[in-house]
Amino acid sequence: DADVTQTPRNRITKTGKRIMLECSQTKGHDRMYWYRQDPGLGLRLIYYSFDVKDINKGEISDGYSVSRQAQAKFSLSLESAIPNQTALYFCATSARVWGEVGLDTQYFGPGTRLTVL
Amino acid sequence: AQSVTQLGSHVSVSEGALVLLRCNYSSSVPPYLFWYVQYPNQGLQLLLKYTSAATLVKGINGFEAEFKKSETSFHLTKPSAHMRDAAEYFCAATNFGNEKLTFGTGTRLTIIP
Repeated sequence: DADVTQTPRNRITKTGKRIMLECSQTKGHDRMYWYRQDPGLGLRLIYYSFDVKDINKGEISDGYSVSRQAQAKFSLSLESAIPNQTALYFCATSARVWGEVGLDTQYFGPGTRLTVL
Repeated sequence: AQSVTQLGSHVSVSEGALVLLRCNYSSSVPPYLFWYVQYPNQGLQLLLKYTSAATLVKGINGFEAEFKKSETSFHLTKPSAHMRDAAEYFCAATNFGNEKLTFGTGTRLTIIP
């Protein structure tokens, strides 16, 4: 079984609809991240959470919100989807490397391909 | 602010030839550097990372990368390309105390039979 799972894997929706993307992990990691990937732009960080009570905005958080329901679950919501939110969305997790801040390896889910018409 | 530049959005090499994927970073403090690989329809997985212990870093699947401070580079190489190496490769960087990764825009590697 995959350590980091994302549901759904594919979603087509219409402008203005509310969408939730879910991420679950069985790695026991405390840190979770949401990225979007666009062709030619690489991965950009949307939100990240270092524990259940710690949620932080990334570089492109406008139009998105998140919820960390438990250590193992981190959901991304688009309150009112728009076409330029069409992208591939990745969830990632990591465990803190004590004494070496910044060195933790991130483990990625398989991605959710979202299309907003 | 940290930035990562990957020269060449697409690279094609023949099977058995040398693979060279370029990555340059900008940082005012010593960086931590990573290479991730994304196979078709999959998430990213770590190939290797530089942690300041050694400038030549060996990763999985025969890849290695060399940190060159004077050139602010961390290029990824593999002596002999295999068909299974076809994927997209991302360079990423952060610094001590900065717990967010900055990714480059990626390089798609195609292997010619």
